[in-house]
Amino acid sequence: EAGVTQFPSHSVIEKGQTVTLRCDPISGHDNLYWYRRVMGKEIKFLLHFVKESKQDESGMPNNRFLAERTGGTYSTLKVQPAELEDSGVYFCASSRLHRGAGGTDTQYFGPGTRLTVL
Amino acid sequence: DAKTTQPTSMDCAEGRAANLPCNHSTISGNEYVYWYRQIHSQGPQYIIHGLKNNETNEMASLIITEDRKSSTLILPHATLRDTAVYYCIVRVRHSGTYKYIFGTGTRLKVLA
Repeated sequence: EAGVTQFPSHSVIEKGQTVTLRCDPISGHDNLYWYRRVMGKEIKFLLHFVKESKQDESGMPNNRFLAERTGGTYSTLKVQPAELEDSGVYFCASSRLHRGAGGTDTQYFGPGTRLTVL
Repeated sequence: DAKTTQPTSMDCAEGRAANLPCNHSTISGNEYVYWYRQIHSQGPQYIIHGLKNNETNEMASLIITEDRKSSTLILPHATLRDTAVYYCIVRVRHSGTYKYIFGTGTRLKVLA
């Protein structure tokens, strides 16, 4: 079974440019999550998709960030325009659909995309 | 909104048990504790999780105190390949779903 894949592995852009990150979850996983770690800080939740629907986007920092998951398969995270403080590592994770209120969902993480904004 | 605190770093001799502590004093009754680790340039890798009872799998053991305010991850026989950053995570319910709240992690160095 292939794991979560992310593309690109690294991206270096200039302030004001646009960057799109892609995540391919594990096949059959309806839950897809985006997280990021900026320099010196802990990994923080950005948003959660269930299939193609945004279930929770409370962690999105501002409206320069747009996440989509058309068709409920892969997801993209676009940053437009990028700012210096957006530099960091962006992780994607996926898990199976939760089974009941008490069900646990082990999230499987991709290797991350390292974004550098100059 | 961090819910866990961990020591910044720890050393452990190869072949010995590594005991990694985590405090989560504000955890709620239905919030699970998860442990992941991150080896350089890879994504976080799942290790183990628990709610109230102690748990064991092929990788590690998780000991949760009775009041659930702290836990300890135990790697019974640490190897050099266990050198990594270990994250103690609380899974919280939010907006009708769940999300992980990561701690800052413990950098474990296994020494030969």
